[in-house]
Amino acid sequence: QKEVEQDPGPLSVPEGAIVSLNCTYSNSAFQYFMWYRQYSRKGPELLMYTYSSGNKEDGRFTAQVDKSSKYISLFIRDSQPSDSATYLCARGLNDYKLSFGAGTTVTVRA
Amino acid sequence: DVKVTQSSRYLVKRTGEKVFLECVQDMDHENMFWYRQDPGLGLRLIYFSYDVKMKEKGDIPEGYSVSREKKERFSLILESASTNQTSMYLCASSLEGGNQPQHFGDGTRLSIL
Repeated sequence: QKEVEQDPGPLSVPEGAIVSLNCTYSNSAFQYFMWYRQYSRKGPELLMYTYSSGNKEDGRFTAQVDKSSKYISLFIRDSQPSDSATYLCARGLNDYKLSFGAGTTVTVRA
Repeated sequence: DVKVTQSSRYLVKRTGEKVFLECVQDMDHENMFWYRQDPGLGLRLIYFSYDVKMKEKGDIPEGYSVSREKKERFSLILESASTNQTSMYLCASSLEGGNQPQHFGDGTRLSIL
């Protein structure tokens, strides 16, 4: 079983819709979580970083962590065509290493 | 802003060649990482370094080695390139400690013929 499983997608939504992205993880040790956005032919760009349960907001982005269910989510409000990208979730265990999901490709239609 | 620069965006090499991929970061980060990214497999850690001249194996170190002679530079070496090493290679860096977010370069797409 992979340490981090990500909903595979792809997702296609109309402009202005809410995008919901989800990952589950299998380890219960102290850990922290990140969401990255990756445009085609570019490297991953850090969007959100959190280590506690609950919600963290940054503009149109909300990261949600539910440690009891081992579930992490990213919500994008008022989605724009410029949000079209692949989104990666990642989990760290305080040992320098990250476990990544396989990524979900999102297309926002104008 | 953190800047991680990889020396080549695209590289084509032949089987058996020794290949060097270079990465430089400008934020005085202690930690540096090398990943490969393949469709359906996500990012997999090859090697990382938490200090100059220090290196640790990641999940898939076979066929690779690394060098970190200066804090800002981390090199990945394919000792004898093989076709199954055709991939996107990503370098990342982070601040000191084992729980810091990592910042990535734009990758080197390496093809081994």
